[in-house]
Amino acid sequence: RKEVEQDPGPFNVPEGATVAFNCTYSNSASQSFFWYRQDCRKEPKLLMSVYSSGNEDGRFTAQLNRASQYISLLIRDSKLSDSATYLCVVTGGFEFYFGSGTKLNVKP
Amino acid sequence: NAGVTQTPKFQVLKTGQSMTLQCAQDMNHNSMYWYRQDPGMGLRLIYYSASEGTTDKGEVPNGYNVSRLNKREFSLRLESAAPSQTSVYFCASSEGGNPPGTEAFFGQGTRLTVV
Repeated sequence: RKEVEQDPGPFNVPEGATVAFNCTYSNSASQSFFWYRQDCRKEPKLLMSVYSSGNEDGRFTAQLNRASQYISLLIRDSKLSDSATYLCVVTGGFEFYFGSGTKLNVKP
Repeated sequence: NAGVTQTPKFQVLKTGQSMTLQCAQDMNHNSMYWYRQDPGMGLRLIYYSASEGTTDKGEVPNGYNVSRLNKREFSLRLESAAPSQTSVYFCASSEGGNPPGTEAFFGQGTRLTVV
């Protein structure tokens, strides 16, 4: 079983749409959670950390549900520039565990 | 701000050749990591170094060796390259801890093709 599972997509949405991604993780002892963004042929970059109380950064909202072991990312008012692959990341031991990513295509 | 620097950015090897991928970070991070990324597989951990002087196997260590040369540098060596090692390799670093409390920062990646 993978440590982190994500729907690979792609999610094809029009500009201005709201889109939500979920991921599930298997290790109930995981303590740190992140969403990364990866553009085509580039390195992953941190989008936002995910806190137990939920957190928001502009158009992006991240939520953590420890009981159900899932993490969500909500993007409001999608922009063309949001087109990318979004990686869900959890920690365990000394390691980071990455989901395979969800691809988002925002269309004009 | 250099962050994490990897060299080379591109490499083509013949089967059986060896090479070393270099990685250096200037953020005074304790932990460093080597990942490979293949289509549909996501990022898979090859080796990591939780702190200077230690290295540990990750999910896919076979065919690779690593050296944590000092706190800044962590190299990945392919002793006898195989076509199955064709991939994009990323080095990353973090402040560390068990578990890591802060995010990982990535280098720009090395695109390796083994023919």
